[in-house]
Amino acid sequence: IAGITQAPTSQILAAGRRMTLRCTQDMRHNAMYWYRQDLGLGLRLIHYSNTAGTTGKGEVPDGYSVSRANTDDFPLTLASAVPSQTSVYFCASSAGAGDYNEQFFGPGTRLTVL
Amino acid sequence: GQNIDQPTEMTATEGAIVQINCTYQTSGFNGLFWYQQHAGEAPTFLSYNVLDGLEEKGRFSSFLSRSKGYSYLLLKELQMKDSASYLCAVSRGDYKLSFGAGTTVTVRA
Repeated sequence: IAGITQAPTSQILAAGRRMTLRCTQDMRHNAMYWYRQDLGLGLRLIHYSNTAGTTGKGEVPDGYSVSRANTDDFPLTLASAVPSQTSVYFCASSAGAGDYNEQFFGPGTRLTVL
Repeated sequence: GQNIDQPTEMTATEGAIVQINCTYQTSGFNGLFWYQQHAGEAPTFLSYNVLDGLEEKGRFSSFLSRSKGYSYLLLKELQMKDSASYLCAVSRGDYKLSFGAGTTVTVRA
């Protein structure tokens, strides 16, 4: 089934631990994004990648890193998790060409940092 | 900076009409999206406006006025399944979207 997958679905993590959230798309989209969604704040962009091999910082990048080794995968790493990183994380992708930029979202990862 | 405002909550009765307003002030504009998000699920695309005017798609319509920095999403003949959050998002032309905080619509019988 075409689309975006994320893993894990949910995770409880001790503060200070390292964690990688996985994201894979099979739509051959050029651009990929990571958002966090918190109550009352909406979706906030953490990092993005316009094409394989390039990444950029979004609104709230501190404490997170990404890599884009190929078109399909865009993992998000928390080097040393803190409780304020408790959130729902969504990965998204878009064709990234032309003016129309509809983004398609994965099912999300619910992360709790204790 | 980016500033996108929409009401936090709205309640309406099944079969009625609800209009969700969105105002924006952004650096760059390349279109406005509306997404629907049911509780615990991912956002899904509803509509896109880049030119002024009304776009109609079944029970849902979206309007844009670029000069006023204003859009609305109109939901007609409300159904219980329309209970969800509705997200307004502005495309700035650099592949990125800036999202409002979302409007939670509750449809009551």
